[in-house]
Amino acid sequence: RKEVEQDPGPFNVPEGATVAFNCTYSNSASQSFFWYRQDCRKEPKLLMSVYSSGNEDGRFTAQLNRASQYISLLIRDSKLSDSATYLCVVNSGNTGKLIFGQGTTLQVKP
Amino acid sequence: DTAVSQTPKYLVTQMGNDKSIKCEQNLGHDTMYWYKQDSKKFLKIMFSYNNKELIINETVPNRFSPKSPDKAHLNLHINSLELGDSAVYFCASSQDLSGEDTQYFGPGTRLTVL
Repeated sequence: RKEVEQDPGPFNVPEGATVAFNCTYSNSASQSFFWYRQDCRKEPKLLMSVYSSGNEDGRFTAQLNRASQYISLLIRDSKLSDSATYLCVVNSGNTGKLIFGQGTTLQVKP
Repeated sequence: DTAVSQTPKYLVTQMGNDKSIKCEQNLGHDTMYWYKQDSKKFLKIMFSYNNKELIINETVPNRFSPKSPDKAHLNLHINSLELGDSAVYFCASSQDLSGEDTQYFGPGTRLTVL
């Protein structure tokens, strides 16, 4: 079983749609959780951290369910510029080691 | 004012050659990393250094040797390149080892071994 699992997609949605990505992780001792965004042929960049209480940044909402070891990302009112691969990332221990999911590809169409 | 820079951006070479990739960060971070992203897009950590000290070595073949001359630099030397080494290699840095901070990635080095 992969340490971090995501549906690779692709998710093809029209502009303005709401889309949700899910991710599960296997290590119950994981402490920190993130969503990174990677554009085609570019480096990953932090989109947002994920907290147990849930957090929102504009059109983006992230949720963490520790009991189910499940992380989600909701994007409202999708823009063309949201087209990218979204990487679910879990920190493993205190060595700074990040475990990346395979990524979910989003394509927003006009 | 690039935060994490890598050179070269592209590297095309023959099997059996030795090559190096350089990385520098100007963020004043203590921790630096090397990641490999293969053709299936999985991004996997290879090494991490904290203040020039090796912290993580993820069962990478010993043909790969990282070197950190100071905490702002982490270079990667690869001996006897193999076809399977073809990938994009990303350098990254973070404030410290806590794993709670943002990791900032360089633009990547696309290595092709022929």
